[in-house]
Amino acid sequence: RKEVEQDPGPFNVPEGATVAFNCTYSNSASQSFFWYRQDCRKEPKLLMSVYSSGNEDGRFTAQLNRASQYISLLIRDSKLSDSATYLCVVPPMRFGAGTRLTVKP
Amino acid sequence: NAGVTQTPKFRVLKTGQSMTLLCAQDMNHEYMYWYRQDPGMGLRLIHYSVGEGTTAKGEVPDGYNVSRLKKQNFLLGLESAAPSQTSVYFCASSRTATNQPQHFGDGTRLSIL
Repeated sequence: RKEVEQDPGPFNVPEGATVAFNCTYSNSASQSFFWYRQDCRKEPKLLMSVYSSGNEDGRFTAQLNRASQYISLLIRDSKLSDSATYLCVVPPMRFGAGTRLTVKP
Repeated sequence: NAGVTQTPKFRVLKTGQSMTLLCAQDMNHEYMYWYRQDPGMGLRLIHYSVGEGTTAKGEVPDGYNVSRLKKQNFLLGLESAAPSQTSVYFCASSRTATNQPQHFGDGTRLSIL
């Protein structure tokens, strides 16, 4: 089992849709997690941090399930500008391969 | 507010040539990292440093060397470039390794012919 695995995607959704990505991890000792957003040919940028059961920031919600060892990212009311690749990170330095999202008009 | 700065942004090398990528951060972070990103592979850790004067191997260290002589700088060296090292290289820094996010530079696109 890979240390960090993500839904491979791609996800193609219409504007206004709700979409969710999952990320599973193998290190049960991990205490904090991060979601990054990466636009094409750009550097990853921090989207959300998850330190306990979950976190919410506007249209974005991250949830943590320690028993099943996965975190999820929910995007509500998708915008065209949400189109990007979303990376799950399990510290100290393990990145998932990313899930690509395309939001279409 | 520079954050993490990588130089150069682009470089084309011939097989066997050597070069050094420079990463500089102005956030007084202890931890610094070098990753490579290949299509469909996500980011893979090459080397990292937990403080000035220290370095450690990551997931894919072969063919690379690093140095951290000053806290703010982390250098990645390719002694004899190979086509397999064609990639996008990202440097990152963080305050700690576990519960603080990493801040990334905008990458170096390296092609080895």
